[in-house]
Amino acid sequence: ELKVEQNPLFLSMQEGKNYTIYCNYSTTSDRLYWYRQDPGKSLESLFVLLSNGAVKQEGRLMASLDTKARLSTLHITAAVHDLSATYFCAVDMPPGTYKYIFGTGTRLKVLA
Amino acid sequence: DGGITQSPKYLFRKEGQNVTLSCEQNLNHDAMYWYRQDPGQGLRLIYYSQIVNDFQKGDIAEGYSVSREKKESFPLTVTSAQKNPTAFYLCASTTGGLSNQPQHFGDGTRLSIL
Repeated sequence: ELKVEQNPLFLSMQEGKNYTIYCNYSTTSDRLYWYRQDPGKSLESLFVLLSNGAVKQEGRLMASLDTKARLSTLHITAAVHDLSATYFCAVDMPPGTYKYIFGTGTRLKVLA
Repeated sequence: DGGITQSPKYLFRKEGQNVTLSCEQNLNHDAMYWYRQDPGQGLRLIYYSQIVNDFQKGDIAEGYSVSREKKESFPLTVTSAQKNPTAFYLCASTTGGLSNQPQHFGDGTRLSIL
């Protein structure tokens, strides 16, 4: 069964702290996507990772991809309240197709 | 500006009734998608379409139907066979395939049972 799993599912952290969200997937893919969803809102694209070893950074967020380990990470540096949201990873399965499988989501709450 | 428009934003369904959710995009994307999101959950794929006049079932297609008569439009009908339709429905589109582009999402339709 094709699976995309994230952990943790819930994360409560203090402002200024660092943390990492993990995304594991169960089949070969060299493309992975990260999205952000604010409560009651739609999803917006954060990062597109296209190859093994890819690293992308935007502000306090940095995403990386290890296709051999079938693992992507989303690292948060010096968290601020505005980063509170739910974060999803997604892969296209089978690779290169039009079908995407989303992870379970990680709900992040940054406390002032 | 290009984007995806979903309507209505809120929809109420009576028992035994079919309802249709609209999704229109002006991004010239080939592929379009419908997802269902339950409270506190991830996204589950209902149907997707790679090109006009063609679509495939996703993981939870039972009780739903779609059509793709135009490239810009991908309406979703929630039929009376879907016994638990209350959810947040998201439409998305992408150039898809090997284009390496992320999906663009509409603002969603929140469906409830009366």
